[in-house]
Amino acid sequence: QKEVEQDPGPLSVPEGAIVSLNCTYSNSAFQYFMWYRQYSRKGPELLMYTYSSGNKEDGRFTAQVDKSSKYISLFIRDSQPSDSATYLCAMSGNQFYFGTGTSLTVIP
Amino acid sequence: DAMVIQNPRYQVTQFGKPVTLSCSQTLNHNVMYWYQQKSSQAPKLLFHYYDKDFNNEADTPDNFQSRRPNTSFCFLDIRSPGLGDAAMYLCATSRGTTYEQYFGPGTRLTVT
Repeated sequence: QKEVEQDPGPLSVPEGAIVSLNCTYSNSAFQYFMWYRQYSRKGPELLMYTYSSGNKEDGRFTAQVDKSSKYISLFIRDSQPSDSATYLCAMSGNQFYFGTGTSLTVIP
Repeated sequence: DAMVIQNPRYQVTQFGKPVTLSCSQTLNHNVMYWYQQKSSQAPKLLFHYYDKDFNNEADTPDNFQSRRPNTSFCFLDIRSPGLGDAAMYLCATSRGTTYEQYFGPGTRLTVT
């Protein structure tokens, strides 16, 4: 079983839609949870960073962590074409692990 | 602005010809990482330095080496590039191995 599982998509939504991106994990030692956005041919950019369970909001982005279910989510409200990118979840305990990324396209 | 810088952004090398990629950071982070990322795949960790301590991933080929002469700089040396080494190489930094990582823009390597 992989440490981190992420649906690769691709995911295609109309502009203005609410997007939900998810990852599951198996290691209960993970304490730090991150979401990265990666545009084509660019390096990953840190979007959200949370410690332990709970929600964190930043503008149109909300990150949720449910440690009891080993499940994290990233919600994007009022999605824009500029949100089209690959979104990678990442988490760490003693080591750092990436998900495989979900490709998102927001159609104008 | 504090940042992670990678040079060059694009590198073309010939099969078997050694190549060096460089990374510098102004974040003063203890940890520097090198990742390889191929198309539509997640970044794959090659190795990292915690201060001067080098940590190699078990499946990183011997063809890949790294140097960290000081806190700010880290180099990736590919001794004999093969066609399969064509990829984006990403440098990242963090305060510690459990904390969030900050990435540079990457160097896209082409092997001819």
